[in-house]
Amino acid sequence: GAGVSQSPRYKVAKRGQDVALRCDPISGHVSLFWYQQALGQGPEFLTYFQNEAQLDKSGLPSDRFFAERPEGSVSTLKIQRTQQEDSAVYLCASSPRTGGATNEKLFFGSGTQLSVL
Amino acid sequence: AQSVAQPEDQVNVAEGNPLTVKCTYSVSGNPYLFWYVQYPNRGLQFLLKYITGDNLVKGSYGFEAEFNKSQTSFHLKKPSALVSDSALYFCAVRDSSGGYQKVTFGTGTKLQVIP
Repeated sequence: GAGVSQSPRYKVAKRGQDVALRCDPISGHVSLFWYQQALGQGPEFLTYFQNEAQLDKSGLPSDRFFAERPEGSVSTLKIQRTQQEDSAVYLCASSPRTGGATNEKLFFGSGTQLSVL
Repeated sequence: AQSVAQPEDQVNVAEGNPLTVKCTYSVSGNPYLFWYVQYPNRGLQFLLKYITGDNLVKGSYGFEAEFNKSQTSFHLKKPSALVSDSALYFCAVRDSSGGYQKVTFGTGTKLQVIP
């Protein structure tokens, strides 16, 4: 596609519900990142995929957060038993190459705004 | 650990005046440095990057940034601000050593250009 696509654009969940957020990266992009952006803050790293391999999940805040990219393209971020503190914008970004000197531009989607009531 | 500091939550500048948005960084090795801009309800858009070479890098929309290793700074600049430059600006860093390294973002600076 023309850019990184995320869906849904907005998600309202009741506390305790499970949610799934989808990211369609730019076709052919090897690297995929998930970031969490709280109101008034910068993006905070959650996890990184190189193709289908999840190489870094050090930023996931708890075991309620789970991400996958089974075929190396579309990725899903799942949050189980949502809590109010999970309310944030979840950003997906992709990049054409793996880590290294030439992989230095992230293409971001518009994000999914999650509100947990 | 790597980090970025953007000391100003907001910068106000009159249209036509030069603008500077400040950024300092901390990283173990040599840095790769970036600026991204975020418009309301939009994702972040890449502006420019410093990888190596010339300390003054030029990017999109007339923006430039100067890498200063001794001051560990990477301030964003533009000679003449436009009202349309009003947005949220994020500085970011990653360590250049090794292979994959995650990118760490600052907390952002809101730029307000006053007509």
